Amino acid sequence: TQLLEQSPQFLSIQEGENLTVYCNSSSVFSSLQWYRQEPGEGPVLLVTVVTGGEVKKLKRLTFQFGDARKDSSLHITAAQTGDTGLYLCAGAASSASKIIFGSGTRLSIRP
Amino acid sequence: GAGVSQTPSNKVTEKGKYVELRCDPISGHTALYWYRQSLGQGPEFLIYFQGTGAADDSGLPNDRFFAVRPEGSVSTLKIQRTERGDSAVYLCASSLSRGSYNEQFFGPGTRLTVL
Repeated sequence: TQLLEQSPQFLSIQEGENLTVYCNSSSVFSSLQWYRQEPGEGPVLLVTVVTGGEVKKLKRLTFQFGDARKDSSLHITAAQTGDTGLYLCAGAASSASKIIFGSGTRLSIRP
Repeated sequence: GAGVSQTPSNKVTEKGKYVELRCDPISGHTALYWYRQSLGQGPEFLIYFQGTGAADDSGLPNDRFFAVRPEGSVSTLKIQRTERGDSAVYLCASSLSRGSYNEQFFGPGTRLTVL
C-alpha cells in the first residue's frame, strides 16, 4: 500500500517568515501534486511535478520532487496571512493510477 | 464557467437510513472521482468513472456504498444503512480525461453527519 506522510502536521508562524513542508514515502511515484484547501472548499491544485529532481516555482512557493521520486517539499518564502490553509501532497504510481493523498499540513500564518 | 457542484452541501441523517449525494461535474469532463475526507485527514479515494463506467471502485469501503453515472455526466453516490463512521465530507472531482497528470477540479463537498 502506498502511503504519503506529511510533516509537520501543524505549523503556526509569523507573517514574513519562511517555512518548508515535507511529503515522504517509501514508494516511487510517477507524479506528485500539491494542493491547497480552505475550510468548506475542495482542494485546489497548485503544481504537478513529474521528473526526479524537478524544481518548480510559483511566486513565493517553491516545489521540489526528490531525485528518487519518493519525496517532495514545499517551501514558502516570506509567508503571508493569505497562505493560511491545509496543504496536501498527492501522488500517483503511474499516469493511469488513482491519486493517493497525504494527511496534510495545516498552516497558520499570524499577522 | 461553472465549476464542480455538489448537493446537498450538508446532510444530517440517522443511523440506518439511506442517503444520496449528487455531483455535477464541469461540462465536457469525462473523468469523475469521488473521495471521502475525514476530519484532520487528506481525501481518501473511493471510486473513479471514465464516462458512464466505473473504471476503478477499489476505494469503496464495503457494499453499502455504490455510485452511478448513467449518462456520463452527473454522478450519484449512494450509501445504504448509514453508520456513524460514515460521517465525513464527501468530495467529487472531475477532469478532462483519465490520468493522474490531468488536473482534477474539486467541488466544495457534501458534509454528511450520521447521528
